[in-house]
Amino acid sequence: GQNIDQPTEMTATEGAIVQINCTYQTSGFNGLFWYQQHAGEAPTFLSYNVLDGLEEKGRFSSFLSRSKGYSYLLLKELQMKDSASYLCAVMDSNYQLIWGAGTKLIIKP
Amino acid sequence: GAVVSQHPSRVICKSGTSVKIECRSLDFQATTMFWYRQFPKKSLMLMATSNEGSKATYEQGVEKDKFLINHASLTLSTLTVTSAHPEDSSFYICSAHAGREANEQFFGPGTRLTVL
Repeated sequence: GQNIDQPTEMTATEGAIVQINCTYQTSGFNGLFWYQQHAGEAPTFLSYNVLDGLEEKGRFSSFLSRSKGYSYLLLKELQMKDSASYLCAVMDSNYQLIWGAGTKLIIKP
Repeated sequence: GAVVSQHPSRVICKSGTSVKIECRSLDFQATTMFWYRQFPKKSLMLMATSNEGSKATYEQGVEKDKFLINHASLTLSTLTVTSAHPEDSSFYICSAHAGREANEQFFGPGTRLTVL
């Protein structure tokens, strides 16, 4: 079956760095997405990786290793507004998104 | 980026009534739209895939007669929850795929449905 695993919850301190991991097993691979979702709101797109390596976008970076079925989202210089759920999703061979359950990130001052 | 709108953003209805939710892609044509349902503290659950001009493809366990989907044009898809019951209360989110190379889905803001 298809499976996306990510930690349920993480806590970090304002100004610090946090890495949220995601491992996946899917039928086919057409890219991995990271989304941010604040409570009561729809997800917003953060990053898209389809090739191995690191993609950097401001304070956020995303890494992919297709051979290991592994990705991480790296958040630097954490701000209180970064408190949210972070969803990992993989697009399978049918171009459908398979979603992880999300990681709730709690930022403490 | 591309913009997807949903209407209404929030609806409260009585049990037994039907509710229609609209999803529009405002500045692009969406060849495919997706309807998701999200329960509190849970991930998104794909309900159905909607292609313009054809019948929607429903995921296993989703009642197609309960959740009617119409994709009348390249910019509009509607989800109608028929004879709504309290267990249908949820956050419904649509997303649109423009069919571009980026393989990115653009999400609507979501609709909070509460059935009394």
